[in-house]
Amino acid sequence: DIQLTQSPSFLSASVGDRVTITCRASQGINSHLAWYQQKPGKAPKLLIYVASTLQSGVPSRFSGSESGREFTLTISSLQPEDFATYYCQHLDGIPITFGGGTKVEIK
Amino acid sequence: EVQLVESGGGLVQPGGSLRLSCVASGFTFSDAYMDWVRQAPGKGLEWVGRIKNKDKSYTTEYAASVKGRFTISRDDSKNSLYLEMNSLRDVDTAVYHCARDGGQYSWDHWGQGALVTVSS
Repeated sequence: DIQLTQSPSFLSASVGDRVTITCRASQGINSHLAWYQQKPGKAPKLLIYVASTLQSGVPSRFSGSESGREFTLTISSLQPEDFATYYCQHLDGIPITFGGGTKVEIK
Repeated sequence: EVQLVESGGGLVQPGGSLRLSCVASGFTFSDAYMDWVRQAPGKGLEWVGRIKNKDKSYTTEYAASVKGRFTISRDDSKNSLYLEMNSLRDVDTAVYHCARDGGQYSWDHWGQGALVTVSS
């Protein structure tokens, strides 16, 4: 199974900060990685797919990149509505797996 | 507007069974691959399984943790997805979401979820 190691698991930041979350895959996944945002009591929301493509309707302050087996979600200027938990997910075969999540809280 | 609405959650004793439903609207359900994912209280996301479309012979795939106990099915005439859960265990307690595979190596729509509690 492909393991996704997400870091950090917890992040404290201020409005306006640049935030970076990393997801490392245990093997190559052909850019088949997505990022989701989840707020308490809500379903996850797709942000980024195939590593770097912004989902329609998602603000441009969100971006994704990859370097080898390491994937990054960046929020260029954190907004109040961005405080949430973020997950990476691979869909490069079965089983589909998720990273452990990164909770972004207000400093 | 795409909508996915789960139902059928509840309290069940260990060893019991439960069937979840997910009704879809706003897209051509019969074309879509559909997945079930769960989230235990305070924990992360865990893929449960998927069912492909008619073109792919409704092939199903499951996580090792549920294989042999859970069965995914669909009724395209009713735009409905199902998760039949048997031999339930305490560790199966979670919110269960259905999700649509958007065809771009991602799930672009999710249901709000149905809570399943396994407890005596």
